[in-house]
Amino acid sequence: DTGVSQDPRHKITKRGQNVTFRCDPISEHNRLYWYRQTLGQGPEFLTYFQNEAQLEKSRLLSDRFSAERPKGSFSTLEIQRTEQGDSAMYLCASSPPPWREGNTEAFFGQGTRLTVV
Amino acid sequence: AQSVTQLDSQVPVFEEAPVELRCNYSSSVSVYLFWYVQYPNQGLQLLLKYLSGSTLVKGINGFEAEFNKSQTSFHLRKPSVHISDTAEYFCAVRGGTASKLTFGTGTRLQVTL
Repeated sequence: DTGVSQDPRHKITKRGQNVTFRCDPISEHNRLYWYRQTLGQGPEFLTYFQNEAQLEKSRLLSDRFSAERPKGSFSTLEIQRTEQGDSAMYLCASSPPPWREGNTEAFFGQGTRLTVV
Repeated sequence: AQSVTQLDSQVPVFEEAPVELRCNYSSSVSVYLFWYVQYPNQGLQLLLKYLSGSTLVKGINGFEAEFNKSQTSFHLRKPSVHISDTAEYFCAVRGGTASKLTFGTGTRLQVTL
């Protein structure tokens, strides 16, 4: 078990470009979450998958954002036509099925820091 | 819906002194409560969690927290801090059947000699 893995760790992009981030959850974790964290703030929920189904999306997730988890394993988060306001740390987390470990904590990756210039 | 308030944005403390980081929450349903630590440019690491049972919860690195339902609080404590405890600490809540976590804005713990 190598933990939640995110790639890339850092991304600098020009305004208007598209970017895609990848998250590999802990194996056997069927729940996967994306959060966004801006400077000086706590993480804010973006979206949640159970297996391949996207079950919840935050209002923060504008039309320029799309997330997928095609086979219920890894997930991608794409931002189209990036804006400077998209600059943030994007965190991925996973958690086990609710009938294991009492439906408890989420395990976080190290995040992808996006800078839009 | 749930919300979390961390009353102190920064807490300076000398090494080997005790510390308390405050957290209050709001929820209309029963909650699970968590404290996470974040080191610079890193993800979040779980310190401890309250699910049910004993209101005093012990976590890693000598931290503990006490759940107080009447005061809707979940304050984090450590009797003697170390320089290596310098980090950002986040309180989080998950309510009822919800899966997502709601975080506070964080408390920066700065430990100095």
